[in-house]
Amino acid sequence: NAGVTQTPKFQVLKTGQSMTLQCAQDMNHNSMYWYRQDPGMGLRLIYYSASEGTTDKGEVPNGYNVSRLNKREFSLRLESAAPSQTSVYFCASSVWTDKNEKLFFGSGTQLSVL
Amino acid sequence: AQKITQTQPGMFVQEKEAVTLDCTYDTSDQSYGLFWYKQPSSGEMIFLIYQGSYDEQNATEGRYSLNFQKARKSANLVISASQLGDSAMYFCAMREGGGSEKLVFGKGTKLTVNP
Repeated sequence: NAGVTQTPKFQVLKTGQSMTLQCAQDMNHNSMYWYRQDPGMGLRLIYYSASEGTTDKGEVPNGYNVSRLNKREFSLRLESAAPSQTSVYFCASSVWTDKNEKLFFGSGTQLSVL
Repeated sequence: AQKITQTQPGMFVQEKEAVTLDCTYDTSDQSYGLFWYKQPSSGEMIFLIYQGSYDEQNATEGRYSLNFQKARKSANLVISASQLGDSAMYFCAMREGGGSEKLVFGKGTKLTVNP
C-alpha cells in the first residue's frame, strides 16, 4: 500500500549544486506530476507526464528538468539550484475511475537552497 | 487572472458544527473537473472530493459534500459535523477540459476546529 513515494524528505543544497528528486508510484497510473508549494502561493505545477515517454511543462518549469523513466518513476532534476527554488516539492499521480478522477500525492520533499 | 480563488485565508468552526469553505473558478471550457484536497500539518495532500462539470448532482464523500453552482462558477466544500482532526489547510483545484493534464490550485484556506 505504498502509493506515491518521494525521496528524499529533506534536502539542503548550496547555490549551484544539482540534485534529483525521485518519485515512484505503485498504482499503475499513467499520469504523474511535480508541484512546488510556497507559502501563500498554493501548489504550482512544474512538469507533468501524461504517459510513459511523454513530459510537458507546467506553470513554473524554468530551472527544472524531468524524466519519466518508466510507468512507475518520474524524477525531477535541479541542474543548478538557486535560492528561489527553496520550496516544498510534491510528486503526484492520477487515475480516472468511474467518471471520477483521483490525484494521489507523495509526502513531499522540503528543499532549502542556501 | 486567477483560475481558482479561495477568498477565506482562515476559518474557524466549533466542533460538531458544519462549515463551508468557498471556492470560485474561472474557465471558458465546458468540460472541467473540480477537486478539494486537505493538507494537515504533517504536510501530505489528501484527496477529498471530485465534481465533474457535467455531473448534475453535487458530489458527496462521507462528511464532505461539494456545493456545485455552475452558473456562479462556485464549488464550495461543506464539511458536516466538524471534528478536531479536520483542522488543516484545504485546497480547491480545477482541471480544464480538452485533454489538459494541468491541475491548477487555489491558495488554500486554513480551517481550525475549536473544541
